[in-house]
Amino acid sequence: DVKVTQSSRYLVKRTGEKVFLECVQDMDHENMFWYRQDPGLGLRLIYFSYDVKMKEKGDIPEGYSVSREKKERFSLILESASTNQTSMYLCASREDPSGGYTFGSGTRLTVV
Amino acid sequence: QQQVKQSPQSLIVQKGGISIINCAYENTAFDYFPWYQQFPGKGPALLIAIRPDVSEKKEGRFTISFNKSAKQFSLHIMDSQPGDSATYFCAASCNAGNNRKLIWGLGTSLAVNP
Repeated sequence: DVKVTQSSRYLVKRTGEKVFLECVQDMDHENMFWYRQDPGLGLRLIYFSYDVKMKEKGDIPEGYSVSREKKERFSLILESASTNQTSMYLCASREDPSGGYTFGSGTRLTVV
Repeated sequence: QQQVKQSPQSLIVQKGGISIINCAYENTAFDYFPWYQQFPGKGPALLIAIRPDVSEKKEGRFTISFNKSAKQFSLHIMDSQPGDSATYFCAASCNAGNNRKLIWGLGTSLAVNP
């Protein structure tokens, strides 16, 4: 089975800190995604990448950036964390555009 | 603007009953309709998916019904069990090459009482 691993389950950061969320997948998938999940708002796409060094903005990219230097790793960066970025962050990968997504277990980030 | 509308927001069903979750869409270019299941503390997992060339797909106790003319699709969970208690998301996407992305419903929280 494809495994998507997010480096931290829980993270507490201070306002203004630079935050790195790491995601690694082990099945050579081309596409990777970052979502945030908030109660009542469902899953909102932040960024996605369909190839190494390629990135595309999702629906809510403001305040975030991403990095994909290697195929298996997709990092989400909060340049200057703010309290409204407190959320559950989910990483996903997909083998090709026609396939289903495999999600990691999520990182619950609290910004204080 | 939400392109996939999911209802109900929450659902309580007795063990052995049928759980029904509905989704409606506007974009007739959508050609892939998956359902995802999410347990607390976990990421969503693909449950079942359908393409518009069929009207129904069944996998075990889970069935997707698809009505192209009404632009609606639904998930039926037969003989619902307490272990089915989870949040269910419908989604849809259309062919956009590498830019194919899922448009998500807001989710339905299902509780199956023992």
